[in-house]
Amino acid sequence: GAVVSQHPSWVICKSGTSVKIECRSLDFQATTMFWYRQFPKQSLMLMATSNEGSKATYEQGVEKDKFLINHASLTLSTLTVTSAHPEDSSFYICSAQDGELSYNEQFFGPGTRLTVL
Amino acid sequence: KQEVTQIPAALSVPEGENLVLNCSFTDSAIYNLQWFRQDPGKGLTSLLLIQSSQREQTSGRLNASLDKSSGRSTLYIAASQPGDSATYLCAVKRGSNYKLTFGKGTLLTVNP
Repeated sequence: GAVVSQHPSWVICKSGTSVKIECRSLDFQATTMFWYRQFPKQSLMLMATSNEGSKATYEQGVEKDKFLINHASLTLSTLTVTSAHPEDSSFYICSAQDGELSYNEQFFGPGTRLTVL
Repeated sequence: KQEVTQIPAALSVPEGENLVLNCSFTDSAIYNLQWFRQDPGKGLTSLLLIQSSQREQTSGRLNASLDKSSGRSTLYIAASQPGDSATYLCAVKRGSNYKLTFGKGTLLTVNP
């Protein structure tokens, strides 16, 4: 159980275009989902926390107008990178948490490799 | 601000060795600590989760300990195998806001 999927697994796009990444919890309802970014040989950096039906909470330094997050249902959150630029190229990973208790385990998706040309 | 440090950054051992990975954190007020495994270009696989009230957790050849007061955790891997080669990440959940703070990881290579 506790499987999280991401789609697509990789994407290449031209500079200036927008890219949408989906994160789904397949066998549980995720009241909270998280979006992370990971640069090569670096650790994961939290970008934003997404709660179903409410606006996402962004970490300091993350542009909310550039990284649009929608958590429309208890099993789906989307991250849209708008007007992507080469510096947005990175590995984006989502995670999902079952329930509202703070100690609940986060389950991670397989990640999406974004390359902006 | 919580900071998580993992030592060593990289480790290479021969197959069969027992090994210890270290994780330290600056703020001892944590809810839990998790150890993850990440294979190249892949997502994270949760290995062990230790609640703040627990001292250790075991799963197969893995044992993780937690000493909250000193801000340390160790991941012990027994009888290492080449398939254990991966990056191991330590992360702490701070407070009630569900955030995980990650260390930079330890890159483990187990040589046949």
